[in-house]
Amino acid sequence: DSGVTQTPKHLITATGQRVTLRCSPRSGDLSVYWYQQSLDQGLQFLIQYYNGEERAKGNILERFSAQQFPDLHSELNLSSLELGDSALYFCASTEGLSTYNEQFFGPGTRLTVL
Amino acid sequence: AQKITQTQPGMFVQEKEAVTLDCTYDTSDPSYGLFWYKQPSSGEMIFLIYQGSYDQQNATEGRYSLNFQKARKSANLVISASQLGDSAMYFCAMREITGNQFYFGTGTSLTVIP
Repeated sequence: DSGVTQTPKHLITATGQRVTLRCSPRSGDLSVYWYQQSLDQGLQFLIQYYNGEERAKGNILERFSAQQFPDLHSELNLSSLELGDSALYFCASTEGLSTYNEQFFGPGTRLTVL
Repeated sequence: AQKITQTQPGMFVQEKEAVTLDCTYDTSDPSYGLFWYKQPSSGEMIFLIYQGSYDQQNATEGRYSLNFQKARKSANLVISASQLGDSAMYFCAMREITGNQFYFGTGTSLTVIP
């Protein structure tokens, strides 16, 4: 158990809908990262927050948005869902921004868009 | 250019043998961290080992060691005495001092044969 929690574990929804994925980082970790992993694909970095502020942005679609709250949990909002958004969405946290801070991953949310 | 390159999409190894998974990286930062993660078929991402760019010695964690060749910009993962439970996808990742995001390779699928 990495200490990072993600809910829900599975999510099945229809095209055009909107969903919210939730992540709670490890205790003491200030930074949260979101990744998308499609079938047979590597990890695509979406966005990173540090202590409530957005710090880095990757290949995140305009239909997607995220935020980190004062209690450091984070939410990833996916709207106008398309079939291609079906993927495993990971949240990861690090204590800080140093190069030696390893990421600890949550169990992931498997999103299926029908 | 790709920040992290893993050229072996799939590898096979006999149980109890050692195996090397290749990873090369590209950065001009003087300070960076290199990481390896394991993703079994169950989907979770498990942190294995870390190597800092200024570390003089190769990192080791149990059966995992990192063959760090800075001049060649390679950070190969060596798994000794392979076990059936080592069958998984393995991802190499890097974090630079100048940025916040982690860069991941496309992964290597390792299959351990009994």
